[in-house]
Amino acid sequence: AQKITQTQPGMFVQEKEAVTLDCTYDTSDQSYGLFWYKQPSSGEMIFLIYQGSYDEQNATEGRYSLNFQKARKSANLVISASQLGDSAMYFCAMREPGTASKLTFGTGTRLQVTL
Amino acid sequence: DAGVIQSPRHEVTEMGQEVTLRCKPISGHNSLFWYRQTMMRGLELLIYFNNNVPIDDSGMPEDRFSAKMPNASFSTLKIQPSEPRDSAVYFCASSFYDEQFFGPGTRLTVL
Repeated sequence: AQKITQTQPGMFVQEKEAVTLDCTYDTSDQSYGLFWYKQPSSGEMIFLIYQGSYDEQNATEGRYSLNFQKARKSANLVISASQLGDSAMYFCAMREPGTASKLTFGTGTRLQVTL
Repeated sequence: DAGVIQSPRHEVTEMGQEVTLRCKPISGHNSLFWYRQTMMRGLELLIYFNNNVPIDDSGMPEDRFSAKMPNASFSTLKIQPSEPRDSAVYFCASSFYDEQFFGPGTRLTVL
C-alpha cells in the first residue's frame, strides 16, 4: 500500500520569507506521481503542483517549487516569498500507478504566514 | 471554464433520512472521484469512476453508501439511512490524466 507522511502538523513563516513543507512517501513502484494541494479556510482544494517520478527536473509553478529527491523518497514543497494569502492547509498526495489517477493524501500541514 | 460543480453546498438532515449529493465534473474529464473529509480521518477516497464505470469502491464505508455515474456529466453519492457519524465535507473531483480538480464540497450535517 502507498503511504504519504507529512510530519509537520503546523508551520509558521514570516511574510516574504521562503518556507519548506515536508513530504515523504513510500512506494515500491517505479512510476508514480506526486501532488501538492492547498486548502484555505474557505474549504476548497486547490491543485498547486505535480511531479512525475521520471521527471528529471524539479517542478515549478510560480512561487511554488517541488524539491524532489527520489532516492530519499521525499517531495518537499517550497513556497518562496510567502504571502498572507498562503496561510492554509497543504496536502501532499501520491498517485498510485495504473489506477486512473487514484490519489493517497497525507495528513496535511497547516501553514500560518505572519507579518 | 466551469470547474467541478457540487450541490448542495450545505445539507443539514436528521438521522435516518436519505441524503443525495450531486456532482458535475469538468467537461472532457474521464475520471471522477468522491472523497470525504473529517477532522479525525482526514481526506478519504470513497469511490472513483473511470469512463462512468466504478473502478474502486473499497473506501465506501458501508452499504448505506452508494454512488452512481449514469453519464459523463453527472454523478451522485447517496447515503441511506444517514447517521450522525456521516457528518463531514464531501468532495467530488475529476481528472483527465494526472491532476484532480476538486469541487467546492458539500458540508453535510446529520443531526
